Amino acid sequence: SQTIHQWPATLVQPVGSPLSLECTVEGTSNPNLYWYRQAAGRGLQLLFYSVGIGQISSEVPQNLSASRPQDRQFILSSKKLLLSDSGFYLCAWNWGSGSTNEKLFFGSGTQLSVL
Amino acid sequence: GEDVEQSLFLSVREGDSSVINCTYTDSSSTYLYWYKQEPGAGLQLLTYIFSNMDMKQDQRLTVLLNKKDKHLSLRIADTQTGDSAIYFCAEGERGANNLFFGTGTRLTIIP
Repeated sequence: SQTIHQWPATLVQPVGSPLSLECTVEGTSNPNLYWYRQAAGRGLQLLFYSVGIGQISSEVPQNLSASRPQDRQFILSSKKLLLSDSGFYLCAWNWGSGSTNEKLFFGSGTQLSVL
Repeated sequence: GEDVEQSLFLSVREGDSSVINCTYTDSSSTYLYWYKQEPGAGLQLLTYIFSNMDMKQDQRLTVLLNKKDKHLSLRIADTQTGDSAIYFCAEGERGANNLFFGTGTRLTIIP
């Protein structure tokens, strides 16, 4: 069976510090991978998605970047965090190209507080 | 772009039925989903419906789809305290790589 791991669960960082959130998927190959952000009192905003190694699509311009160094690894980064980067970050996956686009599966999330 | 809308809050007495509503704008939507998010956790897929269906029932959950009005609802029968969560509506299109989510509806159960 497939599982998705996301860490850390919580993170408190000062403004201007770097960020690295990691997400890995097990039990499947060539998944689509996603980073979402859920700001307090708001819905989910898609930040990045990836359909393959080294392929990153950005949905909104921002202070963040994403990388996919391996098939089942997705990393969310920032060189200098802003206060507005605070939020709940969710990694997700679904089956890759050739399959119907359905059923996103989510990790347990990372609560990021930038102070 | 796609727009998915939900009410932000709903309060229901324990034992009553909860009905959470969602409207969307994308007429190309193929799949429509309901996700549940408990405090501090990720999203859990509850149920989904294909756009060529009108209704889907799964134990206490009933999904109704009015494709003409682009209206989706989730009915939870005999609502329990464990149903307290944020419920997200989402829509997806065949061939696309993404789902579009509503803002979520926070369901509060009144004892």
